[in-house]
Amino acid sequence: NAGVMQNPRHLVRRRGQEARLRCSPMKGHSHVYWYRQLPEEGLKFMVYLQKENIIDESGMPKERFSAEFPKEGPSILRIQQVVRGDSAAYFCASSKPGLAGLSSYNEQFFGPGTRLTVL
Amino acid sequence: AQTVTQSQPEMSVQEAETVTLSCTYDTSENNYYLFWYKQPPSRQMILVIRQEAYKQQNATENRFSVNFQKAAKSFSLKISDSQLGDTAMYFCAFMKGSNFGNEKLTFGTGTRLTIIP
Repeated sequence: NAGVMQNPRHLVRRRGQEARLRCSPMKGHSHVYWYRQLPEEGLKFMVYLQKENIIDESGMPKERFSAEFPKEGPSILRIQQVVRGDSAAYFCASSKPGLAGLSSYNEQFFGPGTRLTVL
Repeated sequence: AQTVTQSQPEMSVQEAETVTLSCTYDTSENNYYLFWYKQPPSRQMILVIRQEAYKQQNATENRFSVNFQKAAKSFSLKISDSQLGDTAMYFCAFMKGSNFGNEKLTFGTGTRLTIIP
């Protein structure tokens, strides 16, 4: 069973360009989370998606950032008009759907991350 | 909102010794989960250990154990018989409980642990 896959692993963009980061969840997982790790910092939550729905985007910057998780295909984190401050490692995690009515926990499995460098 | 604090930016210990990493958190939730993640130089996030807040017994996983003090909102990680492969960044994380079990993780700033041969 393949783990969470992210591509590209490394992405270099010049200021003003667009960055597209892809995340393929583990088989059977329908929930995807995106986290950003700035240099020498911990991971910070950005957005949580289920298939075709954004559930929680409270950590997403209001401008230039968007995310989607279509019915078919990977989840995409899109950053328009990148700036140097966007340079970071972007991690995707996936989890199984929960069981309704039960207080439970579904482990998030992390991908290897995409390191974005903005020149 | 939840906060997670790790007050030790860096630690080092001799191989085979025991080391304890500290973590405190703040929340008004009663149902939640706490985690320690390891991030080696490869940057892959690896779950080390998990603690359910409703369980009084401290979680253990081989050489890794936690000291969970719910009233004090403290969650420390003890690594026994430390090995060179334990060298990594360690992040404490919080997740609130929910009916569906799918919530975001809130991470601390991390502790860089170096095991000295």
